[in-house]
Amino acid sequence: EAAVTQSPRNKVTVTGGNVTLSCRQTNSHNYMYWYRQDTGHGLRLIHYSYGAGNLQIGDVPDGYKATRTTQEDFFLLLELASPSQTSLYFCASSDALTGGYEQYFGPGTRLTVL
Amino acid sequence: GDQVEQSPSALSLHEGTGSALRCNFTTTMRAVQWFRKNSRGSLINLFYLASGTKENGRLKSAFDSKERYSTLHIRDAQLEDSGTYFCAAEVPSNYNVLYFGSGTKLTVEP
Repeated sequence: EAAVTQSPRNKVTVTGGNVTLSCRQTNSHNYMYWYRQDTGHGLRLIHYSYGAGNLQIGDVPDGYKATRTTQEDFFLLLELASPSQTSLYFCASSDALTGGYEQYFGPGTRLTVL
Repeated sequence: GDQVEQSPSALSLHEGTGSALRCNFTTTMRAVQWFRKNSRGSLINLFYLASGTKENGRLKSAFDSKERYSTLHIRDAQLEDSGTYFCAAEVPSNYNVLYFGSGTKLTVEP
């Protein structure tokens, strides 16, 4: 089973603050994803990537940047955080190269923007 | 977005009983995943189906792409089954994008 880790697990910042969320997967999956989950809703895709240096836009990208520096590492950047970005953020990975698209998720990062 | 409709939004079961969760899709989906979000907030993979049914212990899932639905059956519910269950589906045009239902909060009571 894929191992996906996220840091920090909890983060509090102020409006206008600069936040970086980190995700690492150790199973050489080619695809990585960032989602947000709000109370009463399912997860919504922010950005995803199919390899180092690649970035694809998801369904709710506004206010977010992302960068895939290596096969293992995918970062989500909030350069001017707003209270509407208070949410639970999940990272995931999948190994589409072998024909399977099942996604495996990290433990989540709870972000609060005051 | 609204491509996945999950029901019920909340469900309460007594230990030892069972029920079914359902996801309806507004379009044809290629595959479906089911997850449980546990008390620690982690998303646990339950099933991945491109067709047919799969069973794992007291859980069984079915996916019918043509009829545009998937189900998750829980039998002999235990306290540790409590949590929020999500379905998520892949659209044929982009296998790498998952569309999630809004979740079913399951509470299993003694």
